[in-house]
Amino acid sequence: NAGVTQTPKFQVLKTGQSMTLQCAQDMNHEYMSWYRQDPGMGLRLIHYSVGAGITDQGEVPNGYNVSRSTTEDFPLRLLSAAPSQTSVYFCASSYRLAGAYEQYFGPGTRLTVT
Amino acid sequence: DAKTTQPNSMESNEEEPVHLPCNHSTISGTDYIHWYRQLPSQGPEYVIHGLTSNVNNRMASLAIAEDRKSSTLILHRATLRDAAVYYCISVPYSGGGADGLTFGKGTHLIIQP
Repeated sequence: NAGVTQTPKFQVLKTGQSMTLQCAQDMNHEYMSWYRQDPGMGLRLIHYSVGAGITDQGEVPNGYNVSRSTTEDFPLRLLSAAPSQTSVYFCASSYRLAGAYEQYFGPGTRLTVT
Repeated sequence: DAKTTQPNSMESNEEEPVHLPCNHSTISGTDYIHWYRQLPSQGPEYVIHGLTSNVNNRMASLAIAEDRKSSTLILHRATLRDAAVYYCISVPYSGGGADGLTFGKGTHLIIQP
């Protein structure tokens, strides 16, 4: 299994540009989520999905859109990039283990907005 | 979610045990305690979780206080590869973490050779 994969690994955008960060998992996990991590900080939840066709907002959803048309894929769209969105973005998928969900994280996408 | 409190950083020597503390005094009776770690330039990885009893797996042990207001992650024999930021996270039973986890700043563990 490849686990959770993210593309691209690095991206530089100009303010106002849009782009999509890709996330895929091959573990047939029902739950997927997106986080951002700013320097020296913990991760903050952007959006999550509890199954195909179902998404919901996390702690910091503004400026981002998601959709979940398949179990495997959960892309994150930046609508109009701003310098405040410069961050490392992590995608995760999860399954229930002994009463709670163990999350598997991808390697991250490092995004710089100039 | 219950707030957790961890030291900002800890230092230990290679091949010695490491005890990473976490306070969660407002935890409810059905919240799980999860630990994740994040190696440099990588995404977080699951370490262990528990509810009331002490738990062991191949990576670590989790000791949960009887009153559940604190817990300790134990690395039995630290290696240089264990240098990472360790996050202690309270997870409600009802959601189980499916709707995402709340990360704090964690403990930066430094391992000296």
